[in-house]
This record gives sequence, structure tokens and C-alpha cells, in this order.
Amino acid sequence: SQKIEQNSEALNIQEGKTATLTCNYTNYSPAYLQWYRQDPGRGPVFLLLIRENEKEKRKERLKVTFDTTLKQSLFHITASQPADSATYLCALEGAAGNKLTFGGGTRVLVKP
Amino acid sequence: DTGVSQDPRHKITKRGQNVTFRCDPISEHNRLYWYRQTLGQGPEFLTYFQNEAQLEKSRLLSDRFSAERPKGSFSTLEIQRTEQGDSAMYLCASSTGWVSDSYEQYFGPGTRLTVT
Repeated sequence: SQKIEQNSEALNIQEGKTATLTCNYTNYSPAYLQWYRQDPGRGPVFLLLIRENEKEKRKERLKVTFDTTLKQSLFHITASQPADSATYLCALEGAAGNKLTFGGGTRVLVKP
Repeated sequence: DTGVSQDPRHKITKRGQNVTFRCDPISEHNRLYWYRQTLGQGPEFLTYFQNEAQLEKSRLLSDRFSAERPKGSFSTLEIQRTEQGDSAMYLCASSTGWVSDSYEQYFGPGTRLTVT
């Protein structure tokens, strides 16, 4: 069955450092991979989308890589700030506009 | 653009009662999705609509669950004969789907259901 794994342990990081999150998947061939941010008690908020034929995508302090051979995506937050503290969700999509299959999320805590 | 709205935000009900949730998507979005999220987990897909047509339902969606999207605008999710295992956050999302080149989904704030 399809499985998406994110590190369930919280990531504690010092302000200014780079946070790196991992998303691994099995039994899936996604056309798109998306990353979302979720704050407690709120719905997820879209951050970045990367297509299967793209290796890397950047947006401001965020960077996503996608390795379809390793079946892995890495999500980086550079120059992290306390406001970046949240849960980050990886989501796979088999075809455009279809359902998303989410990982369990990784909580990030940026300490000042 | 007022975003995706959901009503109610919180619902407490007794086991065996029926509940109905409403979702109003972003007005120009033709796709609408329902997800369920329990504490510490990522959202799980339940069902989605393209306009008024329900295109896919998860096997998680038992016979007690039904969703509608009349006229392709707002959607309702009804749970009949609620069970304690139904306690979760119910999230609605919308997107433009294949119409444009952006496939991200916009989520509402969710309805938190507690079944006692």
C-alpha cells in the first residue's frame, strides 16, 4: 500500500539555522509533491509544489528538492525564525487537481 | 477573495446523533475536497467534487457518511449515527483543478467534531 513517511519527532532548531525536513514515500508514483504548513487548530496552508520532472524549487527562504529515484523530497527553511515554528506536511498527488495523500507531518520549533 | 469557510467550527454531539457540516469554497474554484484529520496525523482524504459531480470517495467513507455539492457551489458532509471514532477535525479544501496551472489546495479552518 502507499506509504508516506515524515519524521514524527519534532525538530528543534536555533534561530538563523537551516531546518531540513524529509519526506519519503513508497508504492507511489506522484506527478506532483506539495508542502504545506499547519498551525495548531488551523487548516494547512500551501507553501510549494514541485513536479516529477523538476529537481529543485525555491520560494524566498524555502527550498524543496524531489528525487523520484530515491522516492524522497527534502524541504529546507533557511535562516529560520521563531515564526517558522509549525507542523510541515508533505503531500503527494497522482494527477493534477486530484486528491492529496499526506504524510504525518513534522513539527518544527525554532528557538530564539 | 474571502477564502474557504466552514461551519460550524466546533460541534459536540452525542453518540448516535446525526451531524452536518457545511463548506463554502473560494468562488471560482471548481474542485472541492473533504479530508479528516486526527491529532498528530496528517489529513486523510474522504471525497472530492468537480463542480457538482462527486468524482472519488475513499474507503474511509462508510455508509454513514454522505457528501453533496448541489449546483457546484457549497458542499455539505453528513455523518449519520455518529460514533466516538468519528471525533476528528473535518477539513474542506478547494482548488481550480486542471483549469489553471496551479494545483495547490486552499483549506478552510476545519470543523472539530467531538462525539461523546
